[in-house]
Amino acid sequence: TQLLEQSPQFLSIQEGENLTVYCNSSSVFSSLQWYRQEPGEGPVLLVTVVTGGEVKKLKRLTFQFGDARKDSSLHITAAQPGDTGLYLCARTSGTYKYIFGTGTRLKVLA
Amino acid sequence: DTAVSQTPKYLVTQMGNDKSIKCEQNLGHDTMYWYKQDSKKFLKIMFSYNNKELIINETVPNRFSPKSPDKAHLNLHINSLELGDSAVYFCASSQAGTATEAFFGQGTRLTVV
Repeated sequence: TQLLEQSPQFLSIQEGENLTVYCNSSSVFSSLQWYRQEPGEGPVLLVTVVTGGEVKKLKRLTFQFGDARKDSSLHITAAQPGDTGLYLCARTSGTYKYIFGTGTRLKVLA
Repeated sequence: DTAVSQTPKYLVTQMGNDKSIKCEQNLGHDTMYWYKQDSKKFLKIMFSYNNKELIINETVPNRFSPKSPDKAHLNLHINSLELGDSAVYFCASSQAGTATEAFFGQGTRLTVV
């Protein structure tokens, strides 16, 4: 049912390391969003990508939308403890529904 | 000023009780949602409303009854609570359309004992 699979599910790294999180689907989608959720809070939008092959940068975060618009990746350079959280990819299904990925829990150790 | 606010933040109750969660948004959005996040952090849609009208009911048991008195409010009432209802419930809002940003409340952690 339009599942968005994320990998890895869990990631624990040291401060300063780089990492990549993946979001994959068997379906083509018109756009994809990435959200970050911190403990005790709701998800907050980081970025929306809409064009196949698109790359967007947000400080140390780089987001890429696959050419075939079936996958996306989030790369974090020189991770910091403040990057700790749950990262969720999401797509809209029609106008009134967001489908979220399975999530990646990131912990960055100081 | 909080964009999407829901109350209460924590709710502990016994099986069989009835409880309500309230949600309000001050963003002027026309669409509001209820999502359930389970212990594995999977976020699943329950309901979506557009201009006070129910648009999506994602096969949620009818013990869950949402109510939208106006575009800015979407409350969730749950009857006969069961252990399996324990989860974090998120209210969200957005302007209708594809790829628009969804704004979430802080969540209500419901524990049924």
